[in-house]
Amino acid sequence: DAKTTQPNSMESNEEEPVHLPCNHSTISGTDYIHWYRQLPSQGPEYVIHGLTSNVNNRMASLAIAEDRKSSTLILHRATLRDAAVYYCILRDSGGSNYKLTFGKGTLLTVNP
Amino acid sequence: DVKVTQSSRYLVKRTGEKVFLECVQDMDHENMFWYRQDPGLGLRLIYFSYDVKMKEKGDIPEGYSVSREKKERFSLILESASTNQTSMYLCASRVQGQSGNTIYFGEGSWLTVV
Repeated sequence: DAKTTQPNSMESNEEEPVHLPCNHSTISGTDYIHWYRQLPSQGPEYVIHGLTSNVNNRMASLAIAEDRKSSTLILHRATLRDAAVYYCILRDSGGSNYKLTFGKGTLLTVNP
Repeated sequence: DVKVTQSSRYLVKRTGEKVFLECVQDMDHENMFWYRQDPGLGLRLIYFSYDVKMKEKGDIPEGYSVSREKKERFSLILESASTNQTSMYLCASRVQGQSGNTIYFGEGSWLTVV
């Protein structure tokens, strides 16, 4: 699977927007971009995913660069419950389709 | 609600013991995974199974084995537990074939080997 690069940590204030970046310069045309987050003492949970177009759901928005070499997860109004580790991963739709590799993610701290 | 259930939330085992970590999913998913998570290292893939009786090594399979006799159950086995296997273990499952499909995780099993 192609590699992703994320900052180790980011900090935000409550009620403010948060932009979490992810670089994936070696992304292939068939790779989906997935975001997961992990709250303390819990397993990771799905946030959002996309292929080429920007995506919105009730949790967040995903902005994908035109060349697809980077993406940004946007939390529109951070809450204390959004404090978590956020993982950006790529899923290859062909080849070794089964393996799922996570990196270290970004630890998001939300200040009250 | 979709569900991935890990049998034990917290375990303490002695060095040299055989340890079984069980995972059951109720979503009829073909793919199942075992990860371990350690501070500063993120999630590391131990083994995965793309279907019943099928398994493949992940990135750190040494010291572990797995069993997938039924579709809904994926077991991680530590043949002879060692202290460096003290970690949080996460099971996950996914529908095979489509890269847009969500991965579902269990809540994790905290294993301490003394």
